Amino acid sequence: DIQMTQSPSSLSASVGDRVTMTCQANQDIKKYLNWYQQKPGKAPKLLIYDASKLETGVPSRFSGGGSGTDFTLTISSLEPEDIATYYCQQYDNVPPTFGGGTKVGIK
Amino acid sequence: EVQLLESGGGLLQPGGSLRLSCAASGFTFTKYAMTWVRQAPGKGLDWVSTISSSGATTHSADSVKGRFTVSRDNSKNTLYLQMNSLRAEDTAVYYCAKNWAGGYLGPYAFWGQGTLVTVSS
Repeated sequence: DIQMTQSPSSLSASVGDRVTMTCQANQDIKKYLNWYQQKPGKAPKLLIYDASKLETGVPSRFSGGGSGTDFTLTISSLEPEDIATYYCQQYDNVPPTFGGGTKVGIK
Repeated sequence: EVQLLESGGGLLQPGGSLRLSCAASGFTFTKYAMTWVRQAPGKGLDWVSTISSSGATTHSADSVKGRFTVSRDNSKNTLYLQMNSLRAEDTAVYYCAKNWAGGYLGPYAFWGQGTLVTVSS
């Protein structure tokens, strides 16, 4: 199975800050990497697919990058509504696997 | 409007069985693969099973293989997860998800609100 490692596991930032989190795969997954946002008590929501493509309706302050084994999710200017846990997921191979998540809070 | 409504969760003893349902509406169900993902209390997301749009192809996690069966009834726009020989470690919120157009292993474009399964003696 492909292992996905996210870092940091949690972070706190101020409103307006640029926030970056990373996701690393233990083997090449090309571009087959998605990012999901999960707010407390809610279902996950797709933000980014194929490493860098923004899902329809997702604010442009979110962006994704990377390929191969190293990927990033960036929030260009943190908003209060961005408080959530963010998960990466690879879908290059069966089984599709998720990272452990990065929990984002406000300072 | 896309809607996915899970049902069938509950409290049951180890070794028991349960069938989850996911009623879909607002899109052409027969065109999309569907997936079950679970989340244990306070933990991360864990893929369970995926079924192709026709139902001809399925894949499941090793942790549930031989115990859980994913199926669908395209005439009823409904996805199912038959869960047998349940264990305490199966305790989780179970989400059904609509795969992205043309996608089988992902991404998961829309998720239901989930149904809680608790396995405890």
